[in-house]
Amino acid sequence: DTGVSQDPRHKITKRGQNVTFRCDPISEHNRLYWYRQTLGQGPEFLTYFQNEAQLEKSRLLSDRFSAERPKGSFSTLEIQRTEQGDSAMYLCASSSKAGGSEAFFGQGTRLTVV
Amino acid sequence: GQNIDQPTEMTATEGAIVQINCTYQTSGFNGLFWYQQHAGEAPTFLSYNVLDGLEEKGRFSSFLSRSKGYSYLLLKELQMKDSASYLCAVRGQGTGANNLFFGTGTRLTVIP
Repeated sequence: DTGVSQDPRHKITKRGQNVTFRCDPISEHNRLYWYRQTLGQGPEFLTYFQNEAQLEKSRLLSDRFSAERPKGSFSTLEIQRTEQGDSAMYLCASSSKAGGSEAFFGQGTRLTVV
Repeated sequence: GQNIDQPTEMTATEGAIVQINCTYQTSGFNGLFWYQQHAGEAPTFLSYNVLDGLEEKGRFSSFLSRSKGYSYLLLKELQMKDSASYLCAVRGQGTGANNLFFGTGTRLTVIP
């Protein structure tokens, strides 16, 4: 499978715990995006990487959230001290260039904070 | 700021044609995308418009008017499998050039 893959698909955690999600983009794509989607809403932009550099961060990305892409390939998104409001689908997408190239999305990680 | 509006829900009959509208107000514009998203699945790319006019791709067409801040997605010969959410997204300029701003999506239900 050569698409965007995310792991895990589902995560249930207790409030206050830390969680980490992984995204493996399409191999030739140097641009990687994280989005958050809640029920009935469109995806909300969180952050963007070009290769290993994190070039944009949304104001939605509080200091409890951190994302890395250490070698310009896979990326991780960590949420510290989770809150119930963090419950959402976390989507990763990748693309080959910022212009007209469409972003390809992974299946997402569904986080439930109890 | 960014504001993207699309109807929340639509219903159409199998075999018919449906038009899903999207209006946008963004601080910059560098292209408009339509995505399809089935429940519990990832969004999948349908179309991209950066210049005014109609782009046709099989049963799906997308139209853009930049002066009006308006786009529509046209689905012809509707099939039951077309029941899904349709997301309108705009790529900005400057600091917004590297991400897509999505509308809330239009949930389309196709009935027999």
